[in-house]
Amino acid sequence: QKEVEQNSGPLSVPEGAIASLNCTYSDRVSQSFFWYRQYSGKSPELIMSIYSNGDKEDGRFTAQLNKASQYVSLLIRDSQPSDSATYLCAALYSGGSNYKLTFGKGTLLTVNP
Amino acid sequence: NAGVMQNPRHLVRRRGQEARLRCSPMKGHSHVYWYRQLPEEGLKFMVYLQKENIIDESGMPKERFSAEFPKEGPSILRIQQVVRGDSAAYFCASSPREEMGGTEAFFGQGTRLTVV
Repeated sequence: QKEVEQNSGPLSVPEGAIASLNCTYSDRVSQSFFWYRQYSGKSPELIMSIYSNGDKEDGRFTAQLNKASQYVSLLIRDSQPSDSATYLCAALYSGGSNYKLTFGKGTLLTVNP
Repeated sequence: NAGVMQNPRHLVRRRGQEARLRCSPMKGHSHVYWYRQLPEEGLKFMVYLQKENIIDESGMPKERFSAEFPKEGPSILRIQQVVRGDSAAYFCASSPREEMGGTEAFFGQGTRLTVV
């Protein structure tokens, strides 16, 4: 059973701080990893994808992938109240023609003004 | 370029009725995923389909639930004889074939099913 685990949260940070969100996955076959943001009552929105070991930066967001440790993280710099949402980590399992996309349960982030 | 379209956005059914949820993937996308989400909970995988094929239905309840993605037209998630426990948000996501250059999946707005 391939699973994605996220730190349970909730996570609360002050405005302007760095928010750190973590995720581990259980299998070594997954090669693609994603972070989604979901506001309450809305659908998930893709914010980052990462495929190779190391860091990937996009504006205030940095995704980090360590395949040896089966670990993915998302850093949000200069956190804003508008970043308050649930962040979902996802892993894409690629086996033959099966590209199953599995999500963690999400971490609720609150950025306090 | 239209995004993933789901309809209806809200659906109310009485216990025992059938619910049909539709998902039109983004143009050029041939992979469709269906997820269920209960309030304050994560996304639970239900089924993954490619055109005319169910690839992985390991998350689908064995009874009352079925899904299809025909050659033409939207993907359909069908729930027969609905019960109150089926009340949830159902999300569809689509992605292109990996060999087409991407594996990123994009979500529709969801269908909120309420069983009364």
